[in-house]
Amino acid sequence: GAGVSQSPSNKVTEKGKDVELRCDPISGHTALYWYRQSLGQGLEFLIYFQGNSAPDKSGLPSDRFSAERTGGSVSTLTIQRTQQEDSAVYLCASSLEGRGMGGYTFGSGTRLTVV
Amino acid sequence: KQEVTQIPAALSVPEGENLVLNCSFTDSAIYNLQWFRQDPGKGLTSLLLIQSSQREQTSGRLNASLDKSSGRSTLYIAASQPGDSATYLCAVDAGNMLTFGGGTRLMVKP
Repeated sequence: GAGVSQSPSNKVTEKGKDVELRCDPISGHTALYWYRQSLGQGLEFLIYFQGNSAPDKSGLPSDRFSAERTGGSVSTLTIQRTQQEDSAVYLCASSLEGRGMGGYTFGSGTRLTVV
Repeated sequence: KQEVTQIPAALSVPEGENLVLNCSFTDSAIYNLQWFRQDPGKGLTSLLLIQSSQREQTSGRLNASLDKSSGRSTLYIAASQPGDSATYLCAVDAGNMLTFGGGTRLMVKP
């Protein structure tokens, strides 16, 4: 596609439920990133996928968070047993190759609200 | 650990002014630096990308400079317009991720 597509754009869920957030990167981009932006906070790195390499999960805040990338394209970020502190905007970005050689293109994000 | 700081945190100017946003980073071993714009409730829009070997990039009324050795970048906005009102974020790429500054919230008044 022309840009990075994320769905849903908004998600309201009850505390304790699981949620899945989807990211469809730009076609041909081998690198994919997830970031989180909490209200009034900066952007926080979560996870990085590069081609077929093992993902860099160093930014995931807890074991309730996981992500996968199927076929080197679409990625899903899963949050299990959601907590109120998980409320944030989750942003996905892709780049042509690792280390952002072509710069990063971000999606519009998924605004997650845990009530 | 890379740390990125943006000054000022907020800025309010009358329309037509030229302005400078500052970004500093602690580790000069970077691949590139990117400036983004974020409108309220929206994602990030890339403005300018400066590779580590470059000194500046220009796009329309925007000019970004990079001094890697001193760990600084500036974003210059010429003849500001109300439509420029947004949060401006600088981010450095030193490996497998971008590290973002806290942003500068810009308001351009008509």
